[in-house]
Amino acid sequence: GQQVMQIPQYQHVQEGEDFTTYCNSSTTLSNIQWYKQRPGGHPVFLIQLVKSGEVKKQKRLTFQFGEAKKNSSLHITATQTTDVGTYFCAGRRSSGDKLTFGTGTRLAVRP
Amino acid sequence: DGGITQSPKYLFRKEGQNVTLSCEQNLNHDAMYWYRQDPGQGLRLIYYSQIVNDFQKGDIAEGYSVSREKKESFPLTVTSAQKNPTAFYLCASSFQLAGGGDTQYFGPGTRLTVL
Repeated sequence: GQQVMQIPQYQHVQEGEDFTTYCNSSTTLSNIQWYKQRPGGHPVFLIQLVKSGEVKKQKRLTFQFGEAKKNSSLHITATQTTDVGTYFCAGRRSSGDKLTFGTGTRLAVRP
Repeated sequence: DGGITQSPKYLFRKEGQNVTLSCEQNLNHDAMYWYRQDPGQGLRLIYYSQIVNDFQKGDIAEGYSVSREKKESFPLTVTSAQKNPTAFYLCASSFQLAGGGDTQYFGPGTRLTVL
């Protein structure tokens, strides 16, 4: 079945440093979504990418969808303590398929 | 106030007892999902439902059961057959199972502890 892996599994950064998490699928995806789960909370939708090579920005967050639509990345510039949490990607193989969530990357930020 | 609710937030049960977790949404979403999350781990899909009176097994359905008698409700029963039931259970819903309306909205979760 479809597998969506994320790396790294965990990253600990100093506040102000940049952070990147990578999402890799074993199959071509029709879309990719990103979610954030704060500690003790529930996942919250951040953004969706649909087009090959698409890049979207939300303030300090930059999201990319690979040209082959099999990978994606989330980059955070100058991390803040409010960025702490687990970031999940989720993708769909085809228009009729359901979303499959990635394994998640947990971000810790040292103040 | 639209949203998805789960109750209770914390639940304690004795080993060998069945327990039902509630999930209600007033977003008029067709699709609903149940996930299990263990400490420091990702989301594992238990069951999902595309429409009323229909549901499908996810990746870890053994020891769990669901029903979808109403569009708004998707209760999950953790049976005594589930070997390691202690976990954080998340319910989610989306406008559609697939296609343009598959963004998932999550409830606050229920933390189940089996003693």
